[in-house]
Amino acid sequence: DIQMTQSPSSLSASVGDRVTITCRASQVIRNDLGWYQQKPGKAPKRLIYAASSLQSGVPSRFSGSGSGTEFTLTISSLQPEDFATYYCLQHNSYPFTFGPGTKVDIK
Amino acid sequence: EVQLVESGGGLVKPGGSLRLSCAASGFTFSRYSLQWVRQAPGKGLEWVASISYRSTYIYYADSVKGRFTISRDDAENSLYLQMDSLRTEDTAVYYCARDITLIVDYWGQGTLVTVSS
Repeated sequence: DIQMTQSPSSLSASVGDRVTITCRASQVIRNDLGWYQQKPGKAPKRLIYAASSLQSGVPSRFSGSGSGTEFTLTISSLQPEDFATYYCLQHNSYPFTFGPGTKVDIK
Repeated sequence: EVQLVESGGGLVKPGGSLRLSCAASGFTFSRYSLQWVRQAPGKGLEWVASISYRSTYIYYADSVKGRFTISRDDAENSLYLQMDSLRTEDTAVYYCARDITLIVDYWGQGTLVTVSS
């Protein structure tokens, strides 16, 4: 099974900060990775698909990069509505696996 | 408008059974793979099971294999998850989703399953 790790597990940041979250896969997954944002009590919402493609309707301050085993989600200028938990998901092979999540809260 | 609406959650004792349903609308249901994903209280997301177009391929997480059964009824535009031999660790919000491997995915709002004596 493919294991996904995420770092950091949590971070505190201010509005306007640049934020970077890293996800690593235990084996090569090409670009079969998505990034999700989840707010309390809500279903996850995908921000990035295929590692670096921005989902329609998602603000351009979100970007993804990487391929193979190392991936990054970047928020270029953190906004108040971005405080949430972020997960990566690999769908290269079954069982699909999510990263453990990164909680972004207000500094 | 694509909609996925889960139902069937509730309180069940350990060792019991429950059947979740996911009613879909707004797209040609039979053409898509579907998934169940769960989230235990205060924990992260966990993929549970997937079923392909025409039910050709079915996959389960090791944590539920042999206890849960995913199925679909294309005539009824519905996805199901039969959960048997439930354990306390199966307590979670269960989400159905439309093919999370595609460019556009859709998720329901979830249904809560509580396994407790």
